[in-house]
Amino acid sequence: AQSVAQPEDQVNVAEGNPLTVKCTYSVSGNPYLFWYVQYPNRGLQFLLKYITGDNLVKGSYGFEAEFNKSQTSFHLKKPSALVSDSALYFCAVRPWGGSTLGRLYFGRGTQLTVWP
Amino acid sequence: GAVVSQHPSRVICKSGTSVKIECRSLDFQATTMFWYRQFPKQSLMLMATSNEGSKATYEQGVEKDKFLINHASLTLSTLTVTSAHPEDSSFYICSAQGPSTDTQYFGPGTRLTVL
Repeated sequence: AQSVAQPEDQVNVAEGNPLTVKCTYSVSGNPYLFWYVQYPNRGLQFLLKYITGDNLVKGSYGFEAEFNKSQTSFHLKKPSALVSDSALYFCAVRPWGGSTLGRLYFGRGTQLTVWP
Repeated sequence: GAVVSQHPSRVICKSGTSVKIECRSLDFQATTMFWYRQFPKQSLMLMATSNEGSKATYEQGVEKDKFLINHASLTLSTLTVTSAHPEDSSFYICSAQGPSTDTQYFGPGTRLTVL
């Protein structure tokens, strides 16, 4: 069974400090990994993805994520948080191939709050 | 690029009526569209997957006769909530994926309130 875990419901960080939002996954085969951000009453915005290649991927708004195959993790990071980064962050995995081609499996989301 | 729109953004209807939500890919052809439902402070629940010109594939527990999905063109999919009841009140989000991309792009969502 495919699953995504975001172990923290809430992450609080002061503006200017680095932030990390954690994600681990369980999927058959090689995964495609994604991070999305959701602002209140809005849809999801694509931040970044890992398909293959360099384990460190860079995305929108200064975010980056590191794929760690041995730990089956894909943590989202940013060196210096902004108040405007406060939002709900979703990690998602897409199994490669098979009958679930195209379908995303989401974590339950992590609410990031950046304090001024 | 990769913009997905949804209409309406917010709708209030009476119990027993039907509501149609449109999802459009504005600058790419969406061979596959997905419909999700999201409850407050919860993750997205996939309702169904639709491929252009084919019948939608519904997830277990989702009533296909209640949530009618049509994907008649490469840029438009519709979700019709038939005979809506208060328990259908939710935030409905669509996403679209093109043939040459591995990324789903999401619409802004539709807030449905059934009185």
